[in-house]
Amino acid sequence: DAKTTQPPSMDCAEGRAANLPCNHSTISGNEYVYWYRQIHSQGPQYIIHGLKNNETNEMASLIITEDRKSSTLILPHATLRDTAVYYCIVRVLRNRKLIWGLGTSLAVNP
Amino acid sequence: NAGVTQTPKFRVLKTGQSMTLLCAQDMNHEYMYWYRQDPGMGLRLIHYSVGEGTTAKGEVPDGYNVSRLKKQNFLLGLESAAPSQTSVYFCASSPHTSVGSYEQYFGPGTRLTVT
Repeated sequence: DAKTTQPPSMDCAEGRAANLPCNHSTISGNEYVYWYRQIHSQGPQYIIHGLKNNETNEMASLIITEDRKSSTLILPHATLRDTAVYYCIVRVLRNRKLIWGLGTSLAVNP
Repeated sequence: NAGVTQTPKFRVLKTGQSMTLLCAQDMNHEYMYWYRQDPGMGLRLIHYSVGEGTTAKGEVPDGYNVSRLKKQNFLLGLESAAPSQTSVYFCASSPHTSVGSYEQYFGPGTRLTVT
């Protein structure tokens, strides 16, 4: 099963872009990359997902390298409410499970 | 839409007691999941269901049972609670799509303490 590696913590100034990296060097060709976040102890919230093209929605942008071995989640204008743990996940196809790591704890500072 | 709801929000059990956690979703999703989250660990999948009447084991199924008698409900049972089952439990649901990609929608969680 493909696994992901993320830095345990990051800081970002309010109003600036937050760029969260993720390494998934063992990803298979048809496995998707998902990003979720968890604010305080709430239930995780879906952000975005992608296969090999860059993706953008109202919350964030996802940049996936051409070799698909890594990706970056971009929050273009971080706010204090974006302080959360961000999880990068590769979907396991055969059983539709998501394997969760420890994520990156993002602190957005005033 | 209420989305995914969980009942109860908090519970304290004594070792050996039993209880059932209820998860309900009003999005007509095919798939439902139960996770547990412990300090210093990521979410771990307990059981999941790909449709009404079907369930399957996840990573950490021991000590838990589940049932999906109705499409909108997914029940998680602890027959004989142990202190090791002290955790925050999250339920999630997701739609089935022909493409195969999907996102999971999570409930607010149930905080369970077993003494």
